[in-house]
Parts: sequence; structure tokens; C-alpha cells
Amino acid sequence: GIQVEQSPPDLILQEGANSTLRCNFSDSVNNLQWFHQNPWGQLINLFYIPSGTKQNGRLSATTVATERYSLLYISSSQTTDSGVYFCAVSTSGTYKYIFGTGTRLKVLA
Amino acid sequence: SAVISQKPSRDICQRGTSLTIQCQVDSQVTMMFWYRQQPGQSLTLIATANQGSEATYESGFVIDKFPISRPNLTFSTLTVSNMSPEDSSIYLCSVESGRKYEQYFGPGTRLTVT
Repeated sequence: GIQVEQSPPDLILQEGANSTLRCNFSDSVNNLQWFHQNPWGQLINLFYIPSGTKQNGRLSATTVATERYSLLYISSSQTTDSGVYFCAVSTSGTYKYIFGTGTRLKVLA
Repeated sequence: SAVISQKPSRDICQRGTSLTIQCQVDSQVTMMFWYRQQPGQSLTLIATANQGSEATYESGFVIDKFPISRPNLTFSTLTVSNMSPEDSSIYLCSVESGRKYEQYFGPGTRLTVT
């Protein structure tokens, strides 16, 4: 089955710093989502981005489907950005999402 | 997007017992999904629940251990049966909402088995 790897696995930043999180997948995908899991366990939708680039405030994401990767950019990080970031992918005609390994982010004040 | 609630939000259970988790959505949805997140791990799909049909289970998950009900288009339950400490996890339900294939998640049920 499809493999989804995220890097880095852990990241510590000072407040105000920028960061790039990467999601690599081993096969063609038709759907890709980025989520933020906050310290209470809630999964928050960030982007639905099977291809192209999107921006939402301090966050932006780019997916290059032909090269099988997606990037999540966080600018001017805040302590509330702390948590785990997951990408999840699904292939053609299926609702079944495979989650990546996650990036655990800690932003220090 | 749909608003999803889960009950209970957390529980501590004795081994050998069963717990039923409820998932309620504020709008009608065709498909509901149940995921498990073991401590420090990523999410794994347990099963897909369609209204009016039996749930479809993923490899490694069986109906006897995780029976699912889907009585209508806004509600589903997942039961974790004959629990052991290895079942300690966060259990999350999700639904497709908004654009096709985009999933949203409930707040999760944090289960600890002693």
C-alpha cells in the first residue's frame, strides 16, 4: 500500500520563526489534506490540497502531485501552533485516507 | 463543514469490559469513518460505516472486537469489546463534508484501559 512519510519528525522553534514541513508519498494520490492536532487531541483541518498552492493567513501549502510531495509553510510561528501536523492522502475513487507519520512542533515563547 | 460531537470525551475502563462511543453529526452524511490513534502514533482507519449496510473493516480490525452501528444518516456508534490495555487510544470519528473527499473529525474519545 501507499506509504506516507513526513519530515522532520520533531521540530522546536522560537516564536516568530518560519518553518517548512514536508510530506512524501509513494504513489499517485487524488486527495491530500493537512491537519493540525492540538494538545487536546482535536484534529483541525488546515488545507485540502491535492495539487497547487493555497494560503490561509500565516499558513500556506503546496502540493506537487507529479513529484509526490506536499509542503506546509508556517510563518511567524506562535505558541498556539504547537502540536502535531499530519498529512493524509487517498487514491482514486476511495474515501480511505492514509495518514502520514506526523511532525511534532513545539514553539517556545 | 459539519459539526461533529463524540461521547464520552474520555473514559477509564477495566480490562475485559466494553465501551460504546457515540458520534453525532449536525447534518446528514452518507459515510462515517472510525479511526484509532494509539499513544504517540498516527491515525489508522478502523472501518467505514454506511447507513443501511454493514461496516467495512480494514485489515487488522474485526467486527467482533469493534462492532459498529449506523442507524441513521447523522449517528454512529463504535464499541470496543473485551478491552485490554493495548486498546488504550484516542478513537475519532470523521465524515465527508464540504467538498467531495474532504474529511472532518470529531473531538475524539480518549480511552484508558487499566
